[in-house]
Amino acid sequence: GAGVSQSPSNKVTEKGKDVELRCDPISGHTALYWYRQSLGQGLEFLIYFQGNSAPDKSGLPSDRFSAERTGGSVSTLTIQRTQQEDSAVYLCASSVVPGTSGLNEQFFGPGTRLTVL
Amino acid sequence: RKEVEQDPGPFNVPEGATVAFNCTYSNSASQSFFWYRQDCRKEPKLLMSVYSSGNEDGRFTAQLNRASQYISLLIRDSKLSDSATYLCVVNLIHNNAGNMLTFGGGTRLMVKP
Repeated sequence: GAGVSQSPSNKVTEKGKDVELRCDPISGHTALYWYRQSLGQGLEFLIYFQGNSAPDKSGLPSDRFSAERTGGSVSTLTIQRTQQEDSAVYLCASSVVPGTSGLNEQFFGPGTRLTVL
Repeated sequence: RKEVEQDPGPFNVPEGATVAFNCTYSNSASQSFFWYRQDCRKEPKLLMSVYSSGNEDGRFTAQLNRASQYISLLIRDSKLSDSATYLCVVNLIHNNAGNMLTFGGGTRLMVKP
């Protein structure tokens, strides 16, 4: 079946521009997660959605970052007034349920590689 | 201090070697533990969960020591295809973040012919 998809796969933008990244989770997965991975670094948690709501936004690095999820499916991560330090791979993951069980696997999309010039 | 710490490596080993990676985590309330594998320029994928009693999946053995907050991954008879970055992952059931995973920085393994 189809996995998590993300678009665009690559995005090059100029400093100060806004960008929008899209994530399409696996059908039926209620939980959706955004992470950021800078070059040679581990994954940094950004935000989590349960259905359409985002109970925890504490991982967003600044108020330039926002995310939404509509219809319990597709999510968009928006970065306003991009800065060079925003350059990273932005990964989206989804899981079946948000988890009282700790063993729910998160399935990752291929990521969006963002480069801010 | 990072929540999940790993030696970044790289570990350079010959084919057939046995190699072990270690990981420590800081939050004693962590409840579930995993190893993910990430190939170069690819997304992470679950390799195996880690159970308190230790568990094995083919050439891979994972162990957990809750008292020391320490997780290990042992790879026996390593193959060229094992070359990747191995991510130690800890799950803290967070009231607001559900199944929240905290990733270590990864340990890079390079298996040479």
